[in-house]
Amino acid sequence: EPEVTQTPSHQVTQMGQEVILRCVPISNHLYFYWYRQILGQKVEFLVSFYNNEISEKSEIFDDQFSVERPDGSNFTLKIRSTKLEDSAMYFCASSGTGTSGAYEQYFGPGTRLTVT
Amino acid sequence: AQKVTQAQTEISVVEKEDVTLDCVYETRDTTYYLFWYKQPPSGELVFLIRRNSFDEQNEISGRYSWNFQKSTSSFNFTITASQVVDSAVYFCALSEGLLTGGGNKLTFGTGTQLKVEL
Repeated sequence: EPEVTQTPSHQVTQMGQEVILRCVPISNHLYFYWYRQILGQKVEFLVSFYNNEISEKSEIFDDQFSVERPDGSNFTLKIRSTKLEDSAMYFCASSGTGTSGAYEQYFGPGTRLTVT
Repeated sequence: AQKVTQAQTEISVVEKEDVTLDCVYETRDTTYYLFWYKQPPSGELVFLIRRNSFDEQNEISGRYSWNFQKSTSSFNFTITASQVVDSAVYFCALSEGLLTGGGNKLTFGTGTQLKVEL
């Protein structure tokens, strides 16, 4: 069964460092997303991506964040200068498309980012 | 603006009991989609169900059932004969149908921690 994969599973970085979180969405999906979940809290939307462009982004997704689809399979989230408050679980998701307005989003296992 | 409320923070039941997880949503759109996801202790998010705003039929899948009522803006989830493996955090989520074809963000509730004990 196709699944979304994410690497690494856990990333520890020092404040101010750049990190890149990687995701491989389900191969025939066209929409890609990043969400984050601070420990014990709800899952929050960061950004959606379609046709090599950002479709929508939240207030959390400021200039420190960027996304890229560098090739036909990977989808990355970059945080340029990490802050302590960026510590969270980051989930990548992907979804298909069709005549309805929304299809179920399938999530990867997450990358736990710890900023020290 | 869209909002999802899961008022139950934590529920504890004994195995084989039935349990209902509540979800109340707010949206100004007439077209929207509702979802339930399960987050087991391992941390991943597992899709359970999607419902669109035009389909109020209740759905049953094995021990799981969902009750969608537009009149009360609720989309409740019932687990019948709960099992220890059902222990997880359950999230209700809403997506407004602004973009045709897909790509709409999910707004999650705060989740309900379900603990099923022997």
